[in-house]
Amino acid sequence: QSVLTQPPSASETPGQRVTFSCSGSSSNIGSNYVYWYKQLPGTAPKVLIYRTNQRPSGVPDRISGSKSGTSASLAISGLRSEDEGDYYCAAWDDSLSGVVFGGGTKLTVL
Amino acid sequence: QVQLQESGPGVVRPSETLSLTCTVSGYSISGGYYWAWIRQSPGKGLEWIGSIYHNERPYYNPPLKSRVTISLDTAKNQFSLNLSSVTAADTAVYYCAREPDIAGHVDYWGQGTLVTVSS
Repeated sequence: QSVLTQPPSASETPGQRVTFSCSGSSSNIGSNYVYWYKQLPGTAPKVLIYRTNQRPSGVPDRISGSKSGTSASLAISGLRSEDEGDYYCAAWDDSLSGVVFGGGTKLTVL
Repeated sequence: QVQLQESGPGVVRPSETLSLTCTVSGYSISGGYYWAWIRQSPGKGLEWIGSIYHNERPYYNPPLKSRVTISLDTAKNQFSLNLSSVTAADTAVYYCAREPDIAGHVDYWGQGTLVTVSS
């Protein structure tokens, strides 16, 4: 059972917009930055969003992050087949004094 | 270019200690970042094990804290993970990683190494 809650799966057609949700509490998302990762099978995750809404160089601007209260979101517009993969959110938890991850959402591009 | 590479046994017997080393190249581990271990059980999500910063106490995931030790070897530019009293539940791909700050942000990952707990 992950501290951050993500739906296990999502699907959308190419060209459309998909949003991933990540639900937490006041001790993690509510008071700290959120990070988003994408993972392909057999490979290490790659950061897509840091500090809630910042993109590392090389991540396209069709990918964006936001937060409201104790929930965070990752949005991908202009969906492409290469966007398929597993998406994880992460944050620091003040109560646990540790990093917590969501359980991940598997994206299928139909 | 920063690179991290995990090394250690691929199989550990139940009740024994899992020991892994991460060799860092392209950056000094005493240079101002956190160094972390993260694992992923087969078919499951990511789990932060702990992080360490040069000259600071390490941070550990509370459920694992009693069994985990993370340490730095600045002379070899390596850091290590020891996880004691392992069970089948500790079977996972173990990643070493670099964190710009201890907040959930990883900017460099190792390729990961599968450790199986089995007799």
